Amino acid sequence: AAGVIQSPRHLIKEKRETATLKCYPIPRHDTVYWYQQGPGQDPQFLISFYEKMQSDKGSIPDRFSAQQFSDYHSELNMSSLELGDSALYFCASSSPLSGTDTQYFGPGTRLTVL
Amino acid sequence: QKEVEQNSGPLSVPEGAIASLNCTYSDRGSQSFFWYRQYSGKSPELIMFIYSNGDKEDGRFTAQLNKASQYVSLLIRDSQPSDSATYLCAVLTGNQFYFGTGTSLTVIP
Repeated sequence: AAGVIQSPRHLIKEKRETATLKCYPIPRHDTVYWYQQGPGQDPQFLISFYEKMQSDKGSIPDRFSAQQFSDYHSELNMSSLELGDSALYFCASSSPLSGTDTQYFGPGTRLTVL
Repeated sequence: QKEVEQNSGPLSVPEGAIASLNCTYSDRGSQSFFWYRQYSGKSPELIMFIYSNGDKEDGRFTAQLNKASQYVSLLIRDSQPSDSATYLCAVLTGNQFYFGTGTSLTVIP
């Protein structure tokens, strides 16, 4: 079965640079979530989209923005990168129509800020 | 107080034993509960979800939910070395998922 796709899988940036992470949800999933996971920590919810509209917002810094496009893929844009932004960034998708609210996670993008 | 609390472990059990993982949550209105397994550097992988009080079994895994005590657990029977991972409890409250910090499980051959 098709899963959530994230790209790139690894990204190395320097401080103050920008980065764009992409997420392609499971086909027919219309809800996308972004999480940040630091070493040894639980995933921290950043932001979510349902039907191309922002549906919820968590601990996303103002330097970050995201959107969901007409094909339901989503992009997380990160500007003025800081060392503390180094983490695993997961995208998850779900379909309210499934009736389970289950979120399925992508493989993640490992961002390293030098 | 965090929304979801888990004992971080590490929890060690011998191969073939039952591993018991516990999770408590703070919001009585939480409606759905999930267990994910995460290997180091990998993404969380859904094991099972539970909505109703009681037990739900899937193969070697049993999830138990007690809404009155705001407690959800995961039992792993016949533990295997491949079960060694971090187990994340997640709770859906309203529209938001809240994760616990995870319990590290090691199954000793």
